[in-house]
Order: sequence, then C-alpha cells, then structure tokens
Amino acid sequence: EVQLVESGGGLVQPGRSLRLSCTGSGFSFGDYGMGWVRQAPGKGLEWVGFIRNKAYGEKTSFAASVKDRFIISRDDSNTIAYLQMDSLKTEDTAVYFCTGDNGYGVGWRIDYWGQGILVTVSS
Amino acid sequence: DIQMTQSPSSLSASVGDRVTITCRASQGINNYLAWFQQKPGKAPKSLIHSVSSLQSGVPTRFSGSGYGTDFTLTISSLQPEDFATYYCQQYHTYPRTFGQGTKVDIK
Repeated sequence: EVQLVESGGGLVQPGRSLRLSCTGSGFSFGDYGMGWVRQAPGKGLEWVGFIRNKAYGEKTSFAASVKDRFIISRDDSNTIAYLQMDSLKTEDTAVYFCTGDNGYGVGWRIDYWGQGILVTVSS
Repeated sequence: DIQMTQSPSSLSASVGDRVTITCRASQGINNYLAWFQQKPGKAPKSLIHSVSSLQSGVPTRFSGSGYGTDFTLTISSLQPEDFATYYCQQYHTYPRTFGQGTKVDIK
C-alpha cells in the first residue's frame, strides 16, 4: 500500500520558517518526483512546487507565490521529501499535501497524495 | 500562467444520473490533463491522467475525453460515494494549475 505521511506542521509567526517532511512507502520512491500542493481554508487546490527524481537532476520548479521563499529537497535513502518554508506570510496558511509525481521530461503527473498537514501563519 | 476554467462550479444530481464536468485551458496543453476527486476533510484522490487514462483502482464509470484546450470528465452513473468536489489540472507547463473545482452534491 502506498503511503505518504506529512509531518512538521503547526502554528508559526509571520516572517519565521518551518520545514515539512513527507515520508513515503509502498512505491519506488527514487523513481518518482515529489511535490507539494496546498489548500487554504475553504479554497481550492494550489500547486506549490516539486522536485524531479535523480535521473532528472533533482531539478525543482515552484509557483510564483512561493518562489525564492520555499525550497524542496529529497533524501532517497530514507524516502523523505522536505518543504522548507522561509519568510512565511499569513497567506501561506493552508493544509499542505505531499504528492508522488510520475513522469518524465515535461509531463509529471500526480499519482499519490498524503493526508495533508495544517500550517497556520499567525501572530 | 495557463488558466483552467471548470464548469459548472457546482451541480446537483441524483444517484444513477450521468454527470459531465467541463474543463477549459487558456492555451493548448496537448494531453497533459488530470482529474482529481476530493471529499470534505480528506486528501484529493487521483482519478484520471493523460486526459483519459484511469488511475489504478478507479471505477470504470469515470471517463475523460478531450484534446488541446477542451476536456470533459464524465461519471456514467452517479453513485453515493461520488458526491465530492472535482478538480482538473494541467501539467503541460509550469506552474501547473488547477481548475477552481466543481462540487457535485445530492439533488
């Protein structure tokens, strides 16, 4: 059974940092891209970013709203993906979902989802 | 960015109904189109990728079609467990973008 389990969420003040972790199991972690999607309270889904697998140089791509503030990395030996969030803003408040992305070249699609974890940015 | 526009934003239907949801891209995305289902308080679930390919375990009452800029998700016979919000997403160009969602509820 495929599992993606997020951890590290919680309440953080504006301007501070937080790191989310996503531990994967039940699939070939190293072959997949790993991504993040968020959902603000009562809103729709927003793609945040993702990291390609080693075969594609672990290159990252991000939404404009988080570029230069968020970093995604991965540790294939421990099957963990990370979302480092710096300079957090109140508008970053959302449930963050980890995703397992299948693909190559241009077309990386989301196959798997974690259960989500809440990040609240507030003073 | 590519804008994804879903219609309708919501619909009411009965068990057994045929339901169709439309997704339009602001520019061509070839076949890089996926559909997701989300129930309240739960993570989304991947239903369809590459316009019409069902993800593993997804019932065959779900189907997708279209090409270029216009796409459709069809549920051939709505079941009680299908009441949810559905999202399309393009993965042709970064940033990947989602439609605003279509909520399917009980008539």
